[in-house]
Amino acid sequence: GQQLNQSPQSMFIQEGEDVSMNCTSSSIFNTWLWYKQDPGEGPVLLIALYKAGELTSNGRLTAQFGITRKDSFLNISASIPSDVGIYFCAGQLNAGNNRKLIWGLGTSLAVNP
Amino acid sequence: DTAVSQTPKYLVTQMGNDKSIKCEQNLGHDTMYWYKQDSKKFLKIMFSYNNKELIINETVPNRFSPKSPDKAHLNLHINSLELGDSAVYFCASSRLAGGNEQFFGPGTRLTVL
Repeated sequence: GQQLNQSPQSMFIQEGEDVSMNCTSSSIFNTWLWYKQDPGEGPVLLIALYKAGELTSNGRLTAQFGITRKDSFLNISASIPSDVGIYFCAGQLNAGNNRKLIWGLGTSLAVNP
Repeated sequence: DTAVSQTPKYLVTQMGNDKSIKCEQNLGHDTMYWYKQDSKKFLKIMFSYNNKELIINETVPNRFSPKSPDKAHLNLHINSLELGDSAVYFCASSRLAGGNEQFFGPGTRLTVL
């Protein structure tokens, strides 16, 4: 199935550092989403983006919908230990009621206290 | 109150057995999903139901049969379990069909011996 290119695959950082990850696609998307999956849990929606160029924040998290509509990035500022987890990007094409999310392979984040 | 719940949390069984996983959402959403997450953490959509009607059916062996008795419940029955079925299975729901803001359950870790 179709996948998004998400990078980096994994990151190991010190507490307090800023983090940046991104997703790219060969297709144009109408929606970009960022999810976080804590160990042993299901993914939780962090930020949803609906317009090209849109920049949205959620606390220390900031995400942007790329102008070309083929990419998105997520930044985490001043990381803390509870930021540990897997971050997934997901995009959605506009193709009717059976449209589905296309998922990235995830970025695994480890934070050293 | 748990928004999307799944049972069981863990399932260990022998090859060849038949098993079911149950999912319930109390969000009043119209659409529910089953995802499979493999050991590499990739999230793969399997099925989606909108108001008890199947709307997404990805390339999944027909040993997997979803059933939606009402729009708040989506169960997954698996016949003749194989080693490769070992994974974490997530149920999710969204307000509308093709909805991008999906809410995930805690997952069911299936181990086939």
